[in-house]
Amino acid sequence: SYELTQPSSVSVSPGQTARITCSGDVLAKKYARWFQQKPGQAPVLVIYKDSERPSGIPERFSGSSSGTTVTLTISGAQVEDEADYYCYSAADNINVVFGGGTKLTVL
Amino acid sequence: QVQLQESGPGLVKPSQTLSLTCTVSGGSISSGDYYWSWIRQPPGKGLEWIGYIYYSGSTYYNPSLKSRVTISVDTSKNQFSLKLSSVTAADTAVYYCARLSRDGYNLDYWGQGTLVTVSS
Repeated sequence: SYELTQPSSVSVSPGQTARITCSGDVLAKKYARWFQQKPGQAPVLVIYKDSERPSGIPERFSGSSSGTTVTLTISGAQVEDEADYYCYSAADNINVVFGGGTKLTVL
Repeated sequence: QVQLQESGPGLVKPSQTLSLTCTVSGGSISSGDYYWSWIRQPPGKGLEWIGYIYYSGSTYYNPSLKSRVTISVDTSKNQFSLKLSSVTAADTAVYYCARLSRDGYNLDYWGQGTLVTVSS
């Protein structure tokens, strides 16, 4: 089975750069996507195709890929960026696999 | 702006069937560019993909749930539905519906989610 591994938590101070990683063998062959989930709100896609940013997503959100690891970077993190972040990929172009999620704290 | 809204009972008894419907507005479910998905999240835990359906009726299910899951579509109502049979407390979760692009597999629009509790 395919698995994606994320750190359970990341903490930064406002204005610092936050980096959240996602690792898994499937990422060597398939794109990763990232979305943001705030309490009580619908998830929001922030990165697709490893590094593309949907319209309306601030430029401080970026993505990169190296081998079996992808990284979501939030440059100059703001208090409003505090949320859970999930990576996912489409293994076999059929099954969607989620990472375990990372709680980002900005304080 | 596409919107998705889940609806259905918030409480289901053990061994019964969970049934939810997702109503899509602002776009046609018959668009060939998307799959229509169900995803769940147990309280305090991560996300689990349940499966998705194409407007034609083709379905793809998570192998771990396949024996208990049925997803169907009603294009005349712009809705798709989830049935999960023989539920247990482990099926208690927030259930989300979402749109999945065929080109890129992007989950680009989500519903707000609905909590379903399995309890007698």
